[in-house]
Amino acid sequence: GQNIDQPTEMTATEGAIVQINCTYQTSGFNGLFWYQQHAGEAPTFLSYNVLDGLEEKGRFSSFLSRSKGYSYLLLKELQMKDSASYLCAVKDSNYQLIWGAGTKLIIKP
Amino acid sequence: DAMVIQNPRYQVTQFGKPVTLSCSQTLNHNVMYWYQQKSSQAPKLLFHYYDKDFNNEADTPDNFQSRRPNTSFCFLDIRSPGLGDAAMYLCATSRESTDKPHEQYFGPGTRLTVT
Repeated sequence: GQNIDQPTEMTATEGAIVQINCTYQTSGFNGLFWYQQHAGEAPTFLSYNVLDGLEEKGRFSSFLSRSKGYSYLLLKELQMKDSASYLCAVKDSNYQLIWGAGTKLIIKP
Repeated sequence: DAMVIQNPRYQVTQFGKPVTLSCSQTLNHNVMYWYQQKSSQAPKLLFHYYDKDFNNEADTPDNFQSRRPNTSFCFLDIRSPGLGDAAMYLCATSRESTDKPHEQYFGPGTRLTVT
């Protein structure tokens, strides 16, 4: 079966750095997406990786290793507004998006 | 601004009473999706339209139906809502092509309560 694993919850301090990991087992691979979802709101797109390596976008970076079935989302200079769930999703060989359950990130002052 | 709009934002219906949720988009995207999301869970894809082609997920209950009368609009019909259907319903769109996968843009969601 297809599976996306992420930690359920993480806690970090304002101003610090946090890394949210995602491992996946899917039938084929056509890209990995990270979305941010604030409580009660819809997911918003953060980043996309299809090749191995690091993609940087301001305070957020996303890394992919296809051989390891692994990605991480790195958030720097954490702000209170970064408190949200972060969802990892993979497009499989049929271009279907397989979603993880999300990692709830709690930021403390 | 181009966007995905969902109405209503909050819907209360009675057990067994049909309900329709609507979604519209001004992005001119060719693919529209309906997801169901329950608290602390991953979004669950119910179905999607690739242009006019309807694609139903194998485990989507028959109780859920969809219509896409034109490129801009898509509807989710729940014929006989049960208590287990209470959830956030998310509409999303994307501009898919064979050369590159594209991100999905989500509407704000409709929170459905079944009494």
